[in-house]
Amino acid sequence: GAVVSQHPSRVICKSGTSVKIECRSLDFQATTMFWYRQFPKQSLMLMATSNEGSKATYEQGVEKDKFLINHASLTLSTLTVTSAHPEDSSFYICSASEGAYEQYFGPGTRLTVT
Amino acid sequence: QKEVEQDPGPLSVPEGAIVSLNCTYSNSAFQYFMWYRQYSRKGPELLMYTYSSGNKEDGRFTAQVDKSSKYISLFIRDSQPSDSATYLCAMSALGGSEKLVFGKGTKLTVNP
Repeated sequence: GAVVSQHPSRVICKSGTSVKIECRSLDFQATTMFWYRQFPKQSLMLMATSNEGSKATYEQGVEKDKFLINHASLTLSTLTVTSAHPEDSSFYICSASEGAYEQYFGPGTRLTVT
Repeated sequence: QKEVEQDPGPLSVPEGAIVSLNCTYSNSAFQYFMWYRQYSRKGPELLMYTYSSGNKEDGRFTAQVDKSSKYISLFIRDSQPSDSATYLCAMSALGGSEKLVFGKGTKLTVNP
C-alpha cells in the first residue's frame, strides 16, 4: 500500500508556543489530505480536509485560527497548532488520498503541551 | 441513530479462532467501505477496501458487504496474537477523496 509519513512522531512543547506537524505522501500524489485528532480509547475525530492549493475546510467546532493547515504541494501538508495549551495535547493523525480511491494514514504525532 | 454503528467490544478470542467484526450504517449513499487496523499509539493501517456488495478476500482477511441490509463484516481466519488491535470500519459516498465516517472501533485481543 501507499506510504504516508508524519514528522515529528512525538513533540513536547511549552504552553503558548506553536508546533508544526508535517504530513507527506511518499509514493503518490495526494490531491486530498485530512487531519484528525484522537483522544485515548476514542475513535478519530476529523479536524479538517485540505486540497492541494486550496484553503482547508474545517469541521464544525475546530478553530481555524488555532489549527493552521497548509497543503502547499501534492505531497506535503502541514498542521500548525498555534499558542498551544495543555488541552491541545492529543494524538494527531493525517491521511492522504490520490483521488476516489483508498485513504492512507500516517503513523501519527503525539503532542504534549506542558 | 448514528450513521455508522460498531460494537466497541472488547472482543477476546483464542489463537486460531475465526473472528467476525461488523458494522451497520444508515446512509444509503455510502458506496465505499474500508476496514482499518490500529495498534496502540499508531496510525490506522488500511486492511481492506471494497466498493461493491459481495466478498473480497486477502489472505486471512475477508471483507463482506451487503448494501441491501446496510451491513458490512470483516472476517479474520486463523487469528494470531499479532492481530490484537482495534479494528475500525469506515465508509464514504465518494471514496477516499472525501471524509470518511468511522465506526467507534472494536478492540480485539487474540490470546495465545
